[in-house]
Amino acid sequence: SAVISQKPSRDICQRGTSLTIQCQVDSQVTMMFWYRQQPGQSLTLIATANQGSEATYESGFVIDKFPISRPNLTFSTLTVSNMSPEDSSIYLCSAEDRFRGTDTQYFGPGTRLTVL
Amino acid sequence: GENVEQHPSTLSVQEGDSAVIKCTYSDSASNYFPWYKQELGKRPQLIIDIRSNVGEKKDQRIAVTLNKTAKHFSLHITETQPEDSAVYFCAASTGGNKLVFGAGTILRVKS
Repeated sequence: SAVISQKPSRDICQRGTSLTIQCQVDSQVTMMFWYRQQPGQSLTLIATANQGSEATYESGFVIDKFPISRPNLTFSTLTVSNMSPEDSSIYLCSAEDRFRGTDTQYFGPGTRLTVL
Repeated sequence: GENVEQHPSTLSVQEGDSAVIKCTYSDSASNYFPWYKQELGKRPQLIIDIRSNVGEKKDQRIAVTLNKTAKHFSLHITETQPEDSAVYFCAASTGGNKLVFGAGTILRVKS
C-alpha cells in the first residue's frame, strides 16, 4: 500500500491566519482526498484533489475557505484560510491507487490544528 | 446523497468474546464497504472491506457480512483481545471514490 505523510503533524494558530498542510505519497496515485475529523467525531470529506484541475468540494465546504492544490500525482496541499476556533480539528489526507487496480483508500497520519 | 448509520456507539466485551458492529446505508448504488480501525491519536487503518458482489469475507478473526437487500453490513470480531480496543468506522461508496463514514463505534475489550 502507498505510504502517506503529512506536514505539519500539529500546529497552534491564531484566529484570522491561514495554515497550509502538505500531503506526500511515496508513489503515484490516482486519487487524493482531504477529510476533517473533529474531536471524538467521524471523518467528513472536504474535497477530492484532482491532478491538473480544480478540486471537487463537498457540500458545506468552499474553495475560498479550503483552497487545495495538486500539482502532481504524489503531492497535495490543503490550506485552511482565515481560521476561527471552529476550524480546530484533525485534517487527514488519503490516497486511492487505481494505478495498482485498487480503490482502497489509505490515510495519512493527520494534522492536528488548534485555533486560538 | 449517501447516509451511513452505525450501531452501537460504544461496545464493551470481555476478552475472548465476540463483538459485532452494524451499519446501514441508504444509497442502493453503493458497492464498496470498507471498515477502518482508529487507535487513539493514530490514523484510520483499513482492516477489511467487501464489495457488493460478495456476501461475506473473512480474514482470520475478522469477518464482514453484507445484505444488499436490507442495505446493511456488519463487522464481526471473534476471540477479542485487548489490542482490539479502538474506534471502528464503517463506510460506503458508490464507486465514485467518495467514502461516507458512519459515526464510529468505541470498542472496549476488558481483560
